[in-house]
Amino acid sequence: DIVMTQSPDSLAVSLGERATINCKSSQSVLYSSNNLNYLAWYQQKPGRPPKLLIYWASTRESGVPDRFSGSGSGTDFTLTISSLQAEDVAVYYCQQYYSTPRTFGQGTKLEIK
Amino acid sequence: QVQLQESGPGLVKPSGTLSLTCAVSGGSISSSYWWTWVRQPPGKGLEWIGEIYHSGFTNYNPSLKSRITISVDKSKNQFSLKLSSVTAADTAVYYCARDASGTYFLGYWGQGTLVTVSS
Repeated sequence: DIVMTQSPDSLAVSLGERATINCKSSQSVLYSSNNLNYLAWYQQKPGRPPKLLIYWASTRESGVPDRFSGSGSGTDFTLTISSLQAEDVAVYYCQQYYSTPRTFGQGTKLEIK
Repeated sequence: QVQLQESGPGLVKPSGTLSLTCAVSGGSISSSYWWTWVRQPPGKGLEWIGEIYHSGFTNYNPSLKSRITISVDKSKNQFSLKLSSVTAADTAVYYCARDASGTYFLGYWGQGTLVTVSS
């Protein structure tokens, strides 16, 4: 199984400031034949199902604000929120879909400082 | 816009079988997508359970493989999860989901249903 490790486990950021969440996979999720990273980011608010934010490591899902961006390749990835808004308080998960089981990171809880 | 809705018993006895159904609306279960089950124990993270393609091909989490069956019912436009020999560790919110574009990342989710394993 590919193990996904996020850091930090929790994060407090001031409104309007940048938030950065890291995700590391135990093996590369870059598929050489198409040069795509099989890595997604989800946002989950309390009592709600996860919501897809980013796929292919850096492609923003339709309707997701452009303050959310994803970067990285191979085994190291980052989700950045450029200017934190109150509605961004949530738990964020990365997931690899390179192979089964399609494992998730343990989650990063983002709060307002 | 496809919508997913989980249903099934909210309470299952230890050693029993958990059975859930995910009803699909706004789209066909026969379309070329992966239909997935994910669970989340209370206060914990997400665990991928398994997936089924419209053809019936399945992938299961090895940690659960001996206990799970995922199937598709095209006549009812739904898919199902069966998890046998349950224990308290199987208590969780169970989500059904569908990939966004035939490539495994999950763009559509049900609201989730809490299943408690207790006598």
